[in-house]
Amino acid sequence: GAVVSQHPSRVICKSGTSVKIECRSLDFQATTMFWYRQFPKQSLMLMATSNEGSKATYEQGVEKDKFLINHASLTLSTLTVTSAHPEDSSFYICSARPGHLPYEQYFGPGTRLTVT
Amino acid sequence: AQSVSQHNHHVILSEAASLELGCNYSYGGTVNLFWYVQYPGQHLQLLLKYFSGDPLVKGIKGFEAEFIKSKFSFNLRKPSVQWSDTAEYFCAVNAWAGGGADGLTFGKGTHLIIQP
Repeated sequence: GAVVSQHPSRVICKSGTSVKIECRSLDFQATTMFWYRQFPKQSLMLMATSNEGSKATYEQGVEKDKFLINHASLTLSTLTVTSAHPEDSSFYICSARPGHLPYEQYFGPGTRLTVT
Repeated sequence: AQSVSQHNHHVILSEAASLELGCNYSYGGTVNLFWYVQYPGQHLQLLLKYFSGDPLVKGIKGFEAEFIKSKFSFNLRKPSVQWSDTAEYFCAVNAWAGGGADGLTFGKGTHLIIQP
């Protein structure tokens, strides 16, 4: 149980285009999902917290107009990187917090974004 | 806001050696503490976690960690490492944020190399 999936696992896009990454909780309902970013050989940085049915809360320094987060259902959150640039190339990882287990957080496998 | 400090960025050990990775956090309130492992090319896996109770927690693959509140520390230990333990290790912390635990703050990670 407690499986989180991400799609796609890898994506390459051209500079200036937008790309959407999906995060799904497969066997539980996630009232809250988190989005992290990991640069090569570095740690994970929390980007934003999304709660189902409400606006995401972004960490300081994260551009909300660039990283659009939608948490439309209890099993799906999406991150859209708008007008992507090479510096947005990174590993994006989501995690999901079950509504019935508020202490827990389960991570997805990540999405490698490369902007050319 | 909380922060996490991992003292060792690179550790090289021989097989069967004992391991201790340091982790200190700063936060004035109640926190949950985690250790994650990331094997080369793979996604994050939870090694162990501390929420409350016995400060000595045992995780998977023979790892354990001890929460010492007075020292704000949560060091990871393993009595005898194996070559397969070569990976990146991350200490992480989160706080309770009214209704559920919030996003994780990660340390910078420790790159562990086990030499056969």
